Amino acid sequence: DARVTQTPRHKVTEMGQEVTMRCQPILGHNTVFWYRQTMMQGLELLAYFRNRAPLDDSGMPKDRFSAEMPDATLATLKIQPSEPRDSAVYFCASGSGLAGYREQFFGPGTRLTVL
Amino acid sequence: GEDVEQSLFLSVREGDSSVINCTYTDSSSTYLYWYKQEPGAGLQLLTYIFSNMDMKQDQRLTVLLNKKDKHLSLRIADTQTGDSAIYFCAEPASGGSYIPTFGRGTSLIVHP
Repeated sequence: DARVTQTPRHKVTEMGQEVTMRCQPILGHNTVFWYRQTMMQGLELLAYFRNRAPLDDSGMPKDRFSAEMPDATLATLKIQPSEPRDSAVYFCASGSGLAGYREQFFGPGTRLTVL
Repeated sequence: GEDVEQSLFLSVREGDSSVINCTYTDSSSTYLYWYKQEPGAGLQLLTYIFSNMDMKQDQRLTVLLNKKDKHLSLRIADTQTGDSAIYFCAEPASGGSYIPTFGRGTSLIVHP
C-alpha cells in the first residue's frame, strides 16, 4: 500500500527554535510538493520539486524557510527561526509525470504549533 | 491571478443529495478538479473533468461544468456519514502550469 509518509505528525516548539519536517514520497514519484494549510489562508503551495530539483519556491518566506531533497526518497522543509505565525499543518504530496501535477498523493501532514 | 471560490459549509441529511458549488476565474483551464480531505488526513483526488466536457459521472458522484459561467459543481447522491469531509475545488494555475490552485474548501456535514 504505497503512501506518502511525513514525520513528525505533531510538533510543538517555542518561538525561535529550528523545525525540520520530513517527507518520504511514494517510491517512483518524481514530483514533490510542500503545502501549508491554515484556517485563515487555506491551502498554500510553498514549493515543489521535480526530479529532486526545486522548480518553484516562491510561496515560501525565503528568510526563514528552506526546502531540499537530499535524495529521491526524502524531502525536507526547515524553518529557522520559527515564529508563532508558522503554526499550521504542513502537507507533503508526490506525483508522477505530468499527471502528477493533477493527481497528487498527499501525506497525513505535520501539525506544527509554535508557542 | 486565479481565484477559486466556494461556500465554506454545507449541511445535509443522510440519504439526501449534496451539491457543492465552485466558481473559478481562468477560462483557459484545461481541466478542473475536486479533492476530498477527511478529518486528520491529507487531500485525495476525488475526480477531475476536462474542460471540453459538460458532465462527468462516477458512481455516486456527478460533476457539472458550466464554462460560460465558470461554474463547477459536485453532486453526491445518497450522501452517507462517511462523506463528511472538506471538499476542495481546484484549477490549474495560469501560465501553463499544471499546479492546482485550491479553493478554501467546503465542509460537508452529514447528519442522521
